Amino acid sequence: GENVEQHPSTLSVQEGDSAVIKCTYSDSASNYFPWYKQELGKRPQLIIDIRSNVGEKKDQRIAVTLNKTAKHFSLHITETQPEDSAVYFCAASRAGSARQLTFGSGTQLTVLP
Amino acid sequence: NAGVTQTPKFQVLKTGQSMTLQCAQDMNHEYMSWYRQDPGMGLRLIHYSVGAGITDQGEVPNGYNVSRSTTEDFPLRLLSAAPSQTSVYFCASSYRDNQPQHFGDGTRLSIL
Repeated sequence: GENVEQHPSTLSVQEGDSAVIKCTYSDSASNYFPWYKQELGKRPQLIIDIRSNVGEKKDQRIAVTLNKTAKHFSLHITETQPEDSAVYFCAASRAGSARQLTFGSGTQLTVLP
Repeated sequence: NAGVTQTPKFQVLKTGQSMTLQCAQDMNHEYMSWYRQDPGMGLRLIHYSVGAGITDQGEVPNGYNVSRSTTEDFPLRLLSAAPSQTSVYFCASSYRDNQPQHFGDGTRLSIL
């Protein structure tokens, strides 16, 4: 089955700096890669996703890049703000997989004022 | 449109007790899943369903049962609670495979 590894497990940045979180996946047939943000005590919420026919996707300060050859994808947050502090999860799935998403273990991002 | 609704939000059980965690969605999603979340281990899939009457096991199914009699509801049953089942449980749904999953608020379960 699919295996998703996520690094780093914790990340601290100064407000205004950029943050990058990286994930690798094992199943070359995976073609859907969402990112979720989970604030303390809250539900995971989708912040951005990318499909394998696209190499990069942006939404304001958030971007995701995908390298299918190397089987890794990354989340980039620019101009970080204190409200970006949360746990971020990457995930992967492939069409026709009833099991849907396989999640990484999460990255605790702390934005220091 | 409430999305995915989970009840209860908190529960404390004694070892050996049984209980059912409820999950309902009003988005007419075919796919529903149960995850448990433990510190440092991300979200692990317990059971999932691709439609009414169809369920299957995820990566950590032992000690849990599910059923899917309607599109809307997907309850998770703990047969005989054990301290190792202390966790936060999330229910999620999606329109179909390879689509964004929508999560409920979670149930925080403690087994003494």
